[in-house]
Amino acid sequence: AQKVTQAQTEISVVEKEDVTLDCVYETRDTTYYLFWYKQPPSGELVFLIRRNSFDEQNEISGRYSWNFQKSTSSFNFTITASQVVDSAVYFCALSEYDTDKLIFGTGTRLQVFP
Amino acid sequence: DTAVSQTPKYLVTQMGNDKSIKCEQNLGHDTMYWYKQDSKKFLKIMFSYNNKELIINETVPNRFSPKSPDKAHLNLHINSLELGDSAVYFCASSQEGQALNTEAFFGQGTRLTVV
Repeated sequence: AQKVTQAQTEISVVEKEDVTLDCVYETRDTTYYLFWYKQPPSGELVFLIRRNSFDEQNEISGRYSWNFQKSTSSFNFTITASQVVDSAVYFCALSEYDTDKLIFGTGTRLQVFP
Repeated sequence: DTAVSQTPKYLVTQMGNDKSIKCEQNLGHDTMYWYKQDSKKFLKIMFSYNNKELIINETVPNRFSPKSPDKAHLNLHINSLELGDSAVYFCASSQEGQALNTEAFFGQGTRLTVV
């Protein structure tokens, strides 16, 4: 069965701190895709990254980085030097190759205080 | 230009009413979706359509009926609204039909409140 677990319901940090959002997934497929989406207070869902199961290279995009480890079924997201504008709910999601849907985790609310 | 647009953004209505939410995408994508986000922020797929054909129906009550007049539009009609239908409904689209190996673009959401 497909499942995505984001154990951290809410995280609060002070600006400039680094923060890591955890994501653990379950799937029986060998081909699957992992995603992170950001939902700011305005409510829209913003795509951040997509990873396929054959690409375990870590990725860095500015202050954002992602650590994909198949051995632990994890796809963690780190924000370096957090800013107030990073305050949002972050969703990790999984899609198996032969399905056409995103399975979302329950989200982690990140609050960055000045 | 908005890639995936939904109307209305807010919808307040009484129990028992019938309402529709419209969605349009100008990305040329083949696949469109409806997701529901409940009060606890949990996001779950409801339907997906590929080139106007229903692909996924995730055990959604019959009161919910998606309609896709063409591949750029996927509307959601809800009959006999219930209090539990209150949620934010997101429309989305993606390029790939059979495998979501490309990003899904989401609309801004429609906040439905049933009173």
